[in-house]
Amino acid sequence: NAGVTQTPKFRVLKTGQSMTLLCAQDMNHEYMYWYRQDPGMGLRLIHYSVGEGTTAKGEVPDGYNVSRLKKQNFLLGLESAAPSQTSVYFCASSGGTSGSPYTQYFGPGTRLTVL
Amino acid sequence: GNSVTQMEGPVTLSEEAFLTINCTYTATGYPSLFWYVQYPGEGLQLLLKATKADDKGSNKGFEATYRKETTSFHLEKGSVQVSDSAVYFCALIGRSGGGADGLTFGKGTHLIIQP
Repeated sequence: NAGVTQTPKFRVLKTGQSMTLLCAQDMNHEYMYWYRQDPGMGLRLIHYSVGEGTTAKGEVPDGYNVSRLKKQNFLLGLESAAPSQTSVYFCASSGGTSGSPYTQYFGPGTRLTVL
Repeated sequence: GNSVTQMEGPVTLSEEAFLTINCTYTATGYPSLFWYVQYPGEGLQLLLKATKADDKGSNKGFEATYRKETTSFHLEKGSVQVSDSAVYFCALIGRSGGGADGLTFGKGTHLIIQP
């Protein structure tokens, strides 16, 4: 039982490049989330999903897109990276209807630098 | 909207000292409250939680009590160890969305324990 895993762990991009971050969970959770962590800002919600095929915007969605084609995976895409997207990105999941809907479990994070 | 306010630190204590990290919140209804801990270079781990007024969450010697009358969820530990050095985040999730909403985080408190 690996919990929540994220790929890659580190990435450096140039401005304008694109990339996709992958999050996978093996807990059969319904809900999945993407957050970004910036110094002195805590964590802020980017997008979330309440089930396969559904996504919704969080607090800071601009510049990001997401997809949830399979229940266990949640992808975060940057179409044209900007230096302001330099951050640490965390994925989380929670049980939804199959467990506690309020307790979220986090992955180890992806550190992204945009030059 | 929801918000969480916590002391930002850094908080520096000697080993075996008593720890209090203050956390207050603003939310509609009755949120669930959490403390997460982040060790250097790692993701967030759930430390403890409380889901209703007067509940006490506890784990690894840490405790926090859900105080609705003062809208607070202060974290305490009677005798800290060097291994407790980390960043601690207070967070809440509203119950009106059935758990689908993301967590609202405080900015984090950096705790440093000196031997």
